[in-house]
Amino acid sequence: KAGVTQTPRYLIKTRGQQVTLSCSPISGHRSVSWYQQTPGQGLQFLFEYFSETQRNKGNFPGRFSGRQFSNSRSEMNVSTLELGDSALYLCASTYVGGNYGYTFGSGTRLTVV
Amino acid sequence: DAKTTQPTSMDCAEGRAANLPCNHSTISGNEYVYWYRQIHSQGPQYIIHGLKNNETNEMASLIITEDRKSSTLILPHATLRDTAVYYCISLTQGGSEKLVFGKGTKLTVNP
Repeated sequence: KAGVTQTPRYLIKTRGQQVTLSCSPISGHRSVSWYQQTPGQGLQFLFEYFSETQRNKGNFPGRFSGRQFSNSRSEMNVSTLELGDSALYLCASTYVGGNYGYTFGSGTRLTVV
Repeated sequence: DAKTTQPTSMDCAEGRAANLPCNHSTISGNEYVYWYRQIHSQGPQYIIHGLKNNETNEMASLIITEDRKSSTLILPHATLRDTAVYYCISLTQGGSEKLVFGKGTKLTVNP
């Protein structure tokens, strides 16, 4: 079956711009989580969505937001980009209700210049 | 902060077993131990998880101590493609549990 698909794979933006990243989970997975990975901070949790509702949020400023659609696809948005937002953004999905691991996508590499 | 501690790095010879330890001394009774690995610039890959019994799948074996304060991930015949950062994570099931990643163990498999 198809894995978690993230688009785009690479992105270059200018400081002050905004960006939207997309994530299509594995079919049947209704929980989608987002993570940021940087060399300095490692992998950090951004937020998690289930049935179009944000259930958990990490310690990130309000410039980071997300949403989930009825088909479980999710988007995250970062407004007013800063140089420090340059990172690998990873999406993970899972089937809620069982002992299943999270499946991660390959990520979107965002570079802010 | 991560609730697990792992060695920063380990080396293993190709074809030999790689044994990666993890300490989770504060784990609670309803928390599972999960292992993921991340090959450079890719998303983390699920390997295995367990609650208190030892587990085995096609990728690895997981040995959890009886007191559940530590565990060992075993890659029985390591290959060069197993070179990666390995993360041990504890979490409960069913809720909106977030994965709290520590720094993991950088495993280098040498030819």
